[in-house]
Amino acid sequence: DAMVIQNPRYQVTQFGKPVTLSCSQTLNHNVMYWYQQKSSQAPKLLFHYYDKDFNNEADTPDNFQSRRPNTSFCFLDIRSPGLGDAAMYLCATSPRQGGLGNEQFFGPGTRLTVL
Amino acid sequence: GDSVTQMEGPVTLSEEAFLTINCTYTATGYPSLFWYVQYPGEGLQLLLKATKADDKGSNKGFEATYRKETTSFHLEKGSVQVSDSAVYFCALTTNSGNTPLVFGKGTRLSVIA
Repeated sequence: DAMVIQNPRYQVTQFGKPVTLSCSQTLNHNVMYWYQQKSSQAPKLLFHYYDKDFNNEADTPDNFQSRRPNTSFCFLDIRSPGLGDAAMYLCATSPRQGGLGNEQFFGPGTRLTVL
Repeated sequence: GDSVTQMEGPVTLSEEAFLTINCTYTATGYPSLFWYVQYPGEGLQLLLKATKADDKGSNKGFEATYRKETTSFHLEKGSVQVSDSAVYFCALTTNSGNTPLVFGKGTRLSVIA
């Protein structure tokens, strides 16, 4: 089945120690998104790639970076995690950026714990 | 800007009760509307969607009708099950440009046997 895969499902890191979360997709979608979701809140968009074009949300901290080496893979790098960065990180894909009925397909998420 | 407002939770219902979760929106363009569901510890799954006025999205016994006149997309199910316990997010995207999803804050539903 075509899907969005996130690894690892659970990640523990230490305060200030860089961490990378990964996402891959078999849907061949052009757009990939990274969201941060804290407990009992809606997902918050950090950034997205339309093909190789990177689109950063205005309020995404510089501590968060992303790479998309090819269509299938996208990485979220947190350069110096703080306690406030503990959250669920969701990857999603969509066929295009906008347009009628353009739904997003989500991975299962990576829960990040910062000690 | 675009926004989605949905009823505050948590909502607790007995099995086989009727469910309504209200959702209203404001949008500058012509939106597509979605309901996503998030089961504990998992990512979001699309539950249903509607792309134009008077469309009804349906899936797994859930329904929602796109009401342009009231800018609403309320989620309903006639008889909930314990397995429906989850967080439900109403969302929109406009039909032009590169607007990402705009989410409501989510409504937690707990169904008790």
